[in-house]
Amino acid sequence: SQKIEQNSEALNIQEGKTATLTCNYTNYSPAYLQWYRQDPGRGPVFLLLIRENEKEKRKERLKVTFDTTLKQSLFHITASQPADSATYLCALGMGGFKTIFGAGTRLFVKA
Amino acid sequence: DVKVTQSSRYLVKRTGEKVFLECVQDMDHENMFWYRQDPGLGLRLIYFSYDVKMKEKGDIPEGYSVSREKKERFSLILESASTNQTSMYLCASSWDNRDMNTEAFFGQGTRLTVV
Repeated sequence: SQKIEQNSEALNIQEGKTATLTCNYTNYSPAYLQWYRQDPGRGPVFLLLIRENEKEKRKERLKVTFDTTLKQSLFHITASQPADSATYLCALGMGGFKTIFGAGTRLFVKA
Repeated sequence: DVKVTQSSRYLVKRTGEKVFLECVQDMDHENMFWYRQDPGLGLRLIYFSYDVKMKEKGDIPEGYSVSREKKERFSLILESASTNQTSMYLCASSWDNRDMNTEAFFGQGTRLTVV
């Protein structure tokens, strides 16, 4: 069955640096991949979607890459700010109504 | 501003009780979902609905049922609550796009504790 791996260890970085989060998956490639942000005690909020035929997607300070050969997506936040501190979830869209979520990686940005 | 609203932020129920979790969306979305979120496990799909009165089992439907009598409302029912159903429950909705799914909009979550 399809599995997603996100680094369970928290990522600590200094304000102004680029944060890079990793999402690895097994087996077959998804039709698309999404990234969500989740704050403590809140529901996830959609950030970006990248389709299987796209290599890179950008939105303001966010950038997502999708490498179907490596079975990996990287999520970058440039010029990170303390307000970017949250848990970031990767989600694989397998087609139809099937979406598989990772457990998320906690990001801490220190001022 | 688009919204998915869950009826309760926190609930404490006793083992064996029947529990209702309500979710309402104001975006006229066809699809609605119920997930539970536990530490280290990610979001796991319990049930989803792609139309009024339609429902499909997700990955972990045991011990749960759902109801969708109106397009905007999707209810999750715990028939007889057990302590292993203590969790964060998240409702979500999305537009219908059978070829390429779209983003999901989530509610704020309900933290359920079964004692």
